[in-house]
Amino acid sequence: AQKITQTQPGMFVQEKEAVTLDCTYDTSDQSYGLFWYKQPSSGEMIFLIYQGSYDEQNATEGRYSLNFQKARKSANLVISASQLGDSAMYFCAMRGYGNNRLAFGKGNQVVVIP
Amino acid sequence: DAGVIQSPRHEVTEMGQEVTLRCKPISGHNSLFWYRQTMMRGLELLIYFNNNVPIDDSGMPEDRFSAKMPNASFSTLKIQPSEPRDSAVYFCASSLIGFEYEQYFGPGTRLTVT
Repeated sequence: AQKITQTQPGMFVQEKEAVTLDCTYDTSDQSYGLFWYKQPSSGEMIFLIYQGSYDEQNATEGRYSLNFQKARKSANLVISASQLGDSAMYFCAMRGYGNNRLAFGKGNQVVVIP
Repeated sequence: DAGVIQSPRHEVTEMGQEVTLRCKPISGHNSLFWYRQTMMRGLELLIYFNNNVPIDDSGMPEDRFSAKMPNASFSTLKIQPSEPRDSAVYFCASSLIGFEYEQYFGPGTRLTVT
């Protein structure tokens, strides 16, 4: 079974600053995928970024990057140059080989202040 | 390309009534998921289908809940009879099968049972 842990309390971040959201995971699978989703107050779930367990380089998508440390089983999301529209709940999730379920963490709340 | 389509977007019903939520996955996707999200319990996977076949329904709360996927382009989640504790946002998501593929979420159905 996969388990995702997101324990940071709600975060306030100044506009244009970077923010790091912590995510640790537990799995016995050798192959797996790690995902981050954004859920703004409007409610939709938006896919942000993916990291495969065998990827040697950290994934990047625009202002989003994933700090993947496989030995520590962590997959932290870094948002650079925060914008007011980044205010949202952010969920870390993983999917293991042979199991189509996506296991979600409880989320990190981010509020960007001008 | 259209995303995942859910209907209705909002549903208000009285306790004891039957509720049917509908989902049209992204064309070409062969895996479909139903989730429920509440403040208390977070995001929960209810059931998922691969190639129209239910694979894991361990998250379905009780016999009042049922889900079907009669073809690759349509799925329903039915609650009969509904109860106030069923009030939540219900998401449908679709993806390709495989740990490396992200799930795309629909806009959700906000269900209120009075």
